[in-house]
Parts: sequence; C-alpha cells; structure tokens
Amino acid sequence: GQQVMQIPQYQHVQEGEDFTTYCNSSTTLSNIQWYKQRPGGHPVFLIQLVKSGEVKKQKRLTFQFGEAKKNSSLHITATQTTDVGTYFCAGLHAGNNRKLIWGLGTSLAVNP
Amino acid sequence: KAGVTQTPRYLIKTRGQQVTLSCSPISGHRSVSWYQQTPGQGLQFLFEYFSETQRNKGNFPGRFSGRQFSNSRSEMNVSTLELGDSALYLCASTPQGSTDTQYFGPGTRLTVL
Repeated sequence: GQQVMQIPQYQHVQEGEDFTTYCNSSTTLSNIQWYKQRPGGHPVFLIQLVKSGEVKKQKRLTFQFGEAKKNSSLHITATQTTDVGTYFCAGLHAGNNRKLIWGLGTSLAVNP
Repeated sequence: KAGVTQTPRYLIKTRGQQVTLSCSPISGHRSVSWYQQTPGQGLQFLFEYFSETQRNKGNFPGRFSGRQFSNSRSEMNVSTLELGDSALYLCASTPQGSTDTQYFGPGTRLTVL
C-alpha cells in the first residue's frame, strides 16, 4: 500500500550541530507537507513543497523535494534547543486516491 | 482568528465505557479531520467530515464514529473503550479538505484504565 517512510526515528545532537530527516514514498507525490510538534504540543504546519526539485528555506531550515517527487528532506543548520520536537512529513499521493499519508516522525533532542 | 479548540483536554475512562470528544474548527473552515496519536505509531487518520458528511475514513473499527454539525463543529465518539484506545486525539481543520494544510487543535489526552 501507499507508505511514507521517515528516517531516522530519533536523533540526538549537540547544540550547534546540523540535523537532517528524510521522507521516502513508495509512490509519486503531488506534494509534501512538513510539520513540527513540540513536546506536549500539537503538530504545527511548517511548509509545503509542490514542484519537482523544489528547495525552500526558512531561516536555518532547508526543505527539499526530490526530482522524482518521491522523497523529501528537512535540514536544520546549527541546531538550537528551540528545535527540539518531532518533525513529521505528510505526503499527498498523486492520482485518484487523494489521501495524505503521514510519516512516523523524527524526534530531535538537542543537548545544550 | 481563533485557533482550533478541543474539549475536554484530558479524560480518564475505564474499559467498556464510551467517550465523546469535541472539536471547534477555525472560523470559516468546513473540513474537520480526526487523528489518533500514540507513541511509535505517529498520526493515524480516523476520518474527515466536510459539510456534515463523512468524506474520508481511515482503518479504524466501527467503535470509532463521528459527526459534524451545521456550524462545522465536530464530535467523535468511541464506544466500548479498550486499553489500547489510550492516546492523544487530535482534530485538524482546513478550509476545504483533509489534503490541505492541517491546522491542529491542542488535542484531547484520553486515558483508559
């Protein structure tokens, strides 16, 4: 069935180090959304990528959508303690069965 | 605009009981989706309601049901609660549908004893 695999499941970094989480879909995506959930909070929308090869930046966050529109990544440069949380991707599969498929998330811990 | 609100925020029930959770979407949003979140399982889609009709459904048993009112407020009901139903239940509203950007509420933390 349609899946979105997200890796790694957990990542522990020292403050100032970089961090990357990856999402891989078994089928072509129409778009992919990224969300962040702080501990004890709820998911908050970060960004949506639509075009093949698209790259978007939000301050220290860089989001990429693969050329084949089957994978995506979120890279954080020089992590800060405020980056702590779980990052989810959610892919909209192309075709008639328009459902948002969620990755299981990557939990990021940052040591000060 | 006010955000998505959910009530109650916390709930403790015992096995076999039933529970009703409420969600008020952002003003003007007509679609409300419900998710179950448990550690290690991520966000599991329960169902989506749009204009008082269920438009999409996830793979949950019939014990999980919902409805939407004419003012777009939504309720979900879980009957015959099981221990495994303990989770954070999130609702998300969007202007048009469950494939758009999701605006999540704070969630209801349900504990089944």
